[in-house]
Amino acid sequence: DAGVIQSPRHEVTEMGQEVTLRCKPISGHDYLFWYRQTMMRGLELLIYFNNNVPIDDSGMPEDRFSAKMPNASFSTLKIQPSEPRDSAVYFCASSLWGQGLFFGPGTRLTVL
Amino acid sequence: TQLLEQSPQFLSIQEGENLTVYCNSSSVFSSLQWYRQEPGEGPVLLVTVVTGGEVKKLKRLTFQFGDARKDSSLHITAAQPGDTGLYLCAGASDNFNKFYFGSGTKLNVKP
Repeated sequence: DAGVIQSPRHEVTEMGQEVTLRCKPISGHDYLFWYRQTMMRGLELLIYFNNNVPIDDSGMPEDRFSAKMPNASFSTLKIQPSEPRDSAVYFCASSLWGQGLFFGPGTRLTVL
Repeated sequence: TQLLEQSPQFLSIQEGENLTVYCNSSSVFSSLQWYRQEPGEGPVLLVTVVTGGEVKKLKRLTFQFGDARKDSSLHITAAQPGDTGLYLCAGASDNFNKFYFGSGTKLNVKP
């Protein structure tokens, strides 16, 4: 079975550019999470969806960040405009209710 | 401010030694999970504990959930180089759906 798929694996962009990160969750999972990991702050929950509906976006840093889940097999996290402090590894994870999280390999974002 | 505090932050030991990693909070969690993360990869779930006082064993790894469901520990017996990685605990909210991660313990097991 394919696990959680994320693309791209690495993204280098310049400050002010738009960045779009993509995620395909495990088929059948009804929860999808976006996390951000940095050395300073560890793993931070940005937003999570249940059945494609955003449930809690209180972790989204600011209006520059937006996330969508148009269907059960696809989600995007967009940063516009990007800033150097957004540099981090962004993880997507999916799960069933009450079960553990299955993480993707992450997207390493560098904003110059 | 981290909801979950892990200790120690770093641990470097020789192969064959035993170790314990702690995960503490002032909050009560409906469940607690432990993950291991290797460089360049996402965290991988090791175990979920739900009941206060619960103990689970996974080969050489023993996990315990505190009686008050605020803390947990991970004990590794006879550590091996393959145990090297970042160990993360995660507490689940009341509805079991929102997971708060600890700061992590970076373990290095030297051969």
